[in-house]
Amino acid sequence: EVQLVESGGGLIQPGGSLRLSCAASGFTVSSNYISWVRQAPGKGLEWVSIIYSAGSTYYADSVKGRFTISRDDSKNTLYLQMNSLRAEDTAVYYCARGLVGTTYYFDYWGQGTLVTVSS
Amino acid sequence: QSALTQPASVSGSPGQSITISCTGTSRDVGGYNYVSWYQQHPGKAPKLMIYDVSNRPSGVSNRFSGSKSGNTASLTISGLQAEDEADYYCSSYTSSSTLVVFGGGTKLTVL
Repeated sequence: EVQLVESGGGLIQPGGSLRLSCAASGFTVSSNYISWVRQAPGKGLEWVSIIYSAGSTYYADSVKGRFTISRDDSKNTLYLQMNSLRAEDTAVYYCARGLVGTTYYFDYWGQGTLVTVSS
Repeated sequence: QSALTQPASVSGSPGQSITISCTGTSRDVGGYNYVSWYQQHPGKAPKLMIYDVSNRPSGVSNRFSGSKSGNTASLTISGLQAEDEADYYCSSYTSSSTLVVFGGGTKLTVL
């Protein structure tokens, strides 16, 4: 069974750093593309970043230069390193697996982890 | 402001059909057939309902269908059921510097 479990969220001050983790089971992260999608409280979905099986990465303009997506194949885990955090980064962060055979769609999602940026 | 424009809300009675629109530009919806739709119930993670404009993933009811004309994509739900009440988001590949964009979401109310 495919499962994604996010962790690492919490309360952080503006300008601080946080690393989110997404532990995968039931599939191999290195063989799939995986993305981070966030949702601010009461707001809509916002795509954040993606990493493809070959290792290529892409970012939303709003996080480019501040966030870094990576994966540890030995741990079957995805990460999102978030630096220079701002109040507008406050959101539930979901990791989501790419639909096999496609490039831009997400068929399995984690339960999300809440990041709150506030002083 | 979201890159893709959706109506804030739509409603329909059980058994009826509704359509949710998603308007973009030639850089996203209009230029590529990489449009998808997600359903999200309160407090839950999104669920993929449609991809490649009109394809349904395994397990998704055939009451859900997608289409596209020009810069506007549409999600149609036929035979509305109470459990269809949720938020719906469209998404598209974009040739801009951001790879994927979402719409602002549409709240579907089943009367």
